[in-house]
Amino acid sequence: AQSVTQPDIHITVSEGASLELRCNYSYGATPYLFWYVQSPGQGLQLLLKYFSGDTLVQGIKGFEAEFKRSQSSFNLRKPSVHWSDAAEYFCAVGVTSYDKVIFGPGTSLSVIP
Amino acid sequence: GAGVSQSPRYKVAKRGQDVALRCDPISGHVSLFWYQQALGQGPEFLTYFQNEAQLDKSGLPSDRFFAERPEGSVSTLKIQRTQQEDSAVYLCASSLLRGGATDTQYFGPGTRLTVL
Repeated sequence: AQSVTQPDIHITVSEGASLELRCNYSYGATPYLFWYVQSPGQGLQLLLKYFSGDTLVQGIKGFEAEFKRSQSSFNLRKPSVHWSDAAEYFCAVGVTSYDKVIFGPGTSLSVIP
Repeated sequence: GAGVSQSPRYKVAKRGQDVALRCDPISGHVSLFWYQQALGQGPEFLTYFQNEAQLDKSGLPSDRFFAERPEGSVSTLKIQRTQQEDSAVYLCASSLLRGGATDTQYFGPGTRLTVL
């Protein structure tokens, strides 16, 4: 069965430091992969998505993610974190042709000044 | 409106009561999804509509859960005889086209249901 794991439940980084959030998936074919962010009281917002082609994907708010087939990973990165990046981050894999999306459990990001 | 809206934003129900949660998708969006997000968890797929047709309801936890989208626009998720384990945030999302993971889902703010 398809699944998504996010090994880190909670991460704390200093403002200005770099960030990497890990994501591993289990899926038989080439997956569609997503990263979403959820801020308190806000809906889920799509940061970026990967379908095919270049394995390094650029997203909004300065985020990027790299698809590594050999490692079944799709890690999210940002070179310099801002306090406003504090939120819950969800990795997700799209299965079926109509967009059924399987979400990971999420990683909570705290940013300290 | 500019985005997906959901109402009510908060709902408290006594165990055994029926509740109805409403989703107004972005105008013109063909696809509509419902997800359930338990505290500290990622959203879990409940059901999918393409216009008024419910094409996938495999994620509905029990027959107490029922969703409809009669005119292919507004959708209602109904939960009958609520139980404490139904307490969660219920998210609605819509997308422009007939789904396909290449299409972007836009999420509403959710309805937080608390069953006492």
